[in-house]
Amino acid sequence: GESVGLHLPTLSVQEGDNSIINCAYSNSASDYFIWYKQESGKGPQFIIDIRSNMDKRQGQRVTVLLNKTVKHLSLQIAATQPGDSAVYFCAENWGLGGATNKLIFGTGTLLAVQP
Amino acid sequence: EPEVTQTPSHQVTQMGQEVILRCVPISNHLYFYWYRQILGQKVEFLVSFYNNEISEKSEIFDDQFSVERPDGSNFTLKIRSTKLEDSAMYFCASSARTGGRGEKLFFGSGTQLSVL
Repeated sequence: GESVGLHLPTLSVQEGDNSIINCAYSNSASDYFIWYKQESGKGPQFIIDIRSNMDKRQGQRVTVLLNKTVKHLSLQIAATQPGDSAVYFCAENWGLGGATNKLIFGTGTLLAVQP
Repeated sequence: EPEVTQTPSHQVTQMGQEVILRCVPISNHLYFYWYRQILGQKVEFLVSFYNNEISEKSEIFDDQFSVERPDGSNFTLKIRSTKLEDSAMYFCASSARTGGRGEKLFFGSGTQLSVL
């Protein structure tokens, strides 16, 4: 049958190349951002986070860049591997007065790693 | 590594029936959440829960939905009278400390709910 829903942007890369996944967030008051990885049939898996008082944060093979001026977030994956193939979501924290941890997720980008 | 567990992984129900989705959050976590993801769409916030009460809920979380922490380990989402549009993957999540900004959420693998 016909599928209904958003068509995910897709990034196709060769194994070993670097990947850059971009995200535009919506709320200028958001001060905490997270990248999640979602493999088929699984829940979102935390990758890396960044607070708004930073513009760059590095993890193992991943780097997140934050540009608050244009409300843009990016995830860089170094030496992309087949196991990195998944849908990647950015999320911003809309918690009100610190009382909650309500995350607003972006649309998601499908990363397809070609061997 | 500790993880959030959800049961069942798949639930099929008839429209109008009640369903209860179950979650066991990470044991030392204090804040609990339900999110859902309709096929092909974004993950959406439903509700957050702390100290045995709802701390925030979305417009989706209407009177048909309720949450409960019946004991020290389980966290449940009940839908009283399911509708076709409730069909989605439901994710439970938990976080450790204040639950405020900057606290990492850990998600379970989800329960796929299909309403026929």
